[in-house]
Amino acid sequence: GENVEQHPSTLSVQEGDSAVIKCTYSDSASNYFPWYKQELGKRPQLIIDIRSNVGEKKDQRIAVTLNKTAKHFSLHITETQPEDSAVYFCAAGPHNQGGKLIFGQGTELSVKP
Amino acid sequence: ETGVTQSPTHLIKTRGQQVTLRCSSQSGHNTVSWYQQALGQGPQFIFQYYREEENGRGNFPPRFSGLQFPNYSSELNVNALELDDSALYLCASSPALAGGRNEQFFGPGTRLTVL
Repeated sequence: GENVEQHPSTLSVQEGDSAVIKCTYSDSASNYFPWYKQELGKRPQLIIDIRSNVGEKKDQRIAVTLNKTAKHFSLHITETQPEDSAVYFCAAGPHNQGGKLIFGQGTELSVKP
Repeated sequence: ETGVTQSPTHLIKTRGQQVTLRCSSQSGHNTVSWYQQALGQGPQFIFQYYREEENGRGNFPPRFSGLQFPNYSSELNVNALELDDSALYLCASSPALAGGRNEQFFGPGTRLTVL
């Protein structure tokens, strides 16, 4: 069935370092790949997304890359700050309205000052 | 523009009872999706409503049902509650733009505890 695998499950970095979280998906029909940040006790917040017609997208310190052939996509956070500490979820789904998102298991990122 | 809201915030029920959770979509959004998030897990898709019709369903039994109203708000109903139904229930709304977009914006969730 449809599945999204996310690694690592936990990640600890020093402030200022980079963090990379990787996901793989199984459904070839997926063409929309959002990333969500969820702080403890709060709602998941959409931080960046990418569609299959592009290979990379950047927004300030956050970037996402997509390799459709290998069914891999990754989140890159540069110059990490303590406020980046949270659980990050990747997801995969169809681009058009009406499709469900399949989420990864989450990565707990800890940025140490 | 208001964001996605959900009620109630917390709920405690006992096994076998029924529960109704409510969601108001973000202004301008006509699609609502419901997800179940167990502790330490990613959200799992329950179903989606578009123009008051169910438009896709995940691997959840029929005792999970829903409604969408003309103002695009939505309800999730769960009958015959089981202990494993204890989770955070999230709704997410999507914008209604030409060509369709699947960006989903989440509400704060309802924490359901089944005893």
